[in-house]
Amino acid sequence: DADVTQTPRNRITKTGKRIMLECSQTKGHDRMYWYRQDPGLGLQLIYYSFDVKDINKGEISDGYSVSRQAQAKFSLSLESAIPNQTALYFCATSDSNYNEQFFGPGTRLTVL
Amino acid sequence: EDKVVQSPLSLVVHEGDTVTLNCSYEVTNFRSLLWYKQEKKAPTFLFMLTSSGIEKKSGRLSSILDKKELFSILNITATQTGDSAVYLCAGYFNDYKLSFGAGTTVTVRA
Repeated sequence: DADVTQTPRNRITKTGKRIMLECSQTKGHDRMYWYRQDPGLGLQLIYYSFDVKDINKGEISDGYSVSRQAQAKFSLSLESAIPNQTALYFCATSDSNYNEQFFGPGTRLTVL
Repeated sequence: EDKVVQSPLSLVVHEGDTVTLNCSYEVTNFRSLLWYKQEKKAPTFLFMLTSSGIEKKSGRLSSILDKKELFSILNITATQTGDSAVYLCAGYFNDYKLSFGAGTTVTVRA
């Protein structure tokens, strides 16, 4: 079984809809991250969390919110989706500062 | 603001060629630099470099860091079609977040 899972894997939605992307991990890591990737660009950090009570904004948090429901779960919400949020979204985890991050399989989101 | 720049943006080679990918960074407080490979799905970890001048090697891939000149290179020797991917460079700098470069797309033709 995959260590980091994301649901859904693909989603098509309409402008203005509320969308939630979910991430679960079995690695026992405290640190969890949400990134988006646009064609031809690297990964941009949206939000990150170092434990259940910790939420931090990344480079591009506007239009997004997150919830860390448990050590193993970190969800990303788009309160009112817009077309320029069409992208590939990745969840990642790490065990400590400055170490390798492990990525989930990604969610491809299309906002029409 | 911390910045990671990769070059070239893309390249096409033939099987058996050697490829050198570059990653330079402008940062105020370097911690570590990581290389990932992405093949149309999740990035997979290749190397983490923290010390200058020490080469990390895994099979046909190797990487080295120059902390004085603020760059790293990733070498792939005897390339195969399975090496076709986007290679991402990322660094931990001032705080605990990874900053990514835009990536280099490598296409290996048979």
